[in-house]
Amino acid sequence: RKEVEQDPGPFNVPEGATVAFNCTYSNSASQSFFWYRQDCRKEPKLLMSVYSSGNEDGRFTAQLNRASQYISLLIRDSKLSDSATYLCVVNPGTGGFKTIFGAGTRLFVKA
Amino acid sequence: GAGVSQSPSNKVTEKGKDVELRCDPISGHTALYWYRQSLGQGLEFLIYFQGNSAPDKSGLPSDRFSAERTGGSVSTLTIQRTQQEDSAVYLCASSLVRGGSGANVLTFGAGSRLTVL
Repeated sequence: RKEVEQDPGPFNVPEGATVAFNCTYSNSASQSFFWYRQDCRKEPKLLMSVYSSGNEDGRFTAQLNRASQYISLLIRDSKLSDSATYLCVVNPGTGGFKTIFGAGTRLFVKA
Repeated sequence: GAGVSQSPSNKVTEKGKDVELRCDPISGHTALYWYRQSLGQGLEFLIYFQGNSAPDKSGLPSDRFSAERTGGSVSTLTIQRTQQEDSAVYLCASSLVRGGSGANVLTFGAGSRLTVL
């Protein structure tokens, strides 16, 4: 089983739609979680951290469910510029900072 | 520098040759990571360095791969006797590790694209 698993998609949605991605992780001791965004042929960049109580940044909401070991990202009012690959990222936290990336979920937002 | 710098940006080599990829992290960042991303795939963890601790080499795919970090700053990833399956983008990232909370945000370089003919 992969340490971090995501649905690869692609998700094709119209502008203005709400879309949600889930991610599961295998190490129950994992301590910190993030969503990164990667545009085509570019390096990944931090989108947002994921906190235990859930957190929101504008149109983006991240949730963590430790009991079920999954993380979610909700994008409201999708924009064309949201088209990208979204990477779920987990720091296992077992005495170090080895950071594991999921394979990513591709999102296409269409006019 | 202001960001993570990687060189070369593109490298084309012949099968069997050795290559060296360089990463210059953000000044003051204590942790440095190498990942590999094949076309259309996710990021594969290779190795990470944290301060003066022994590096975590658990992701290196074979003994042809090695990396070092000199003086806690610049890192070099070396691939010996390159094979066609080594063709990928090699991404370096650095971070300022923050205490025990594990809030560890990575900043990536633009990557080195390696093509093995």
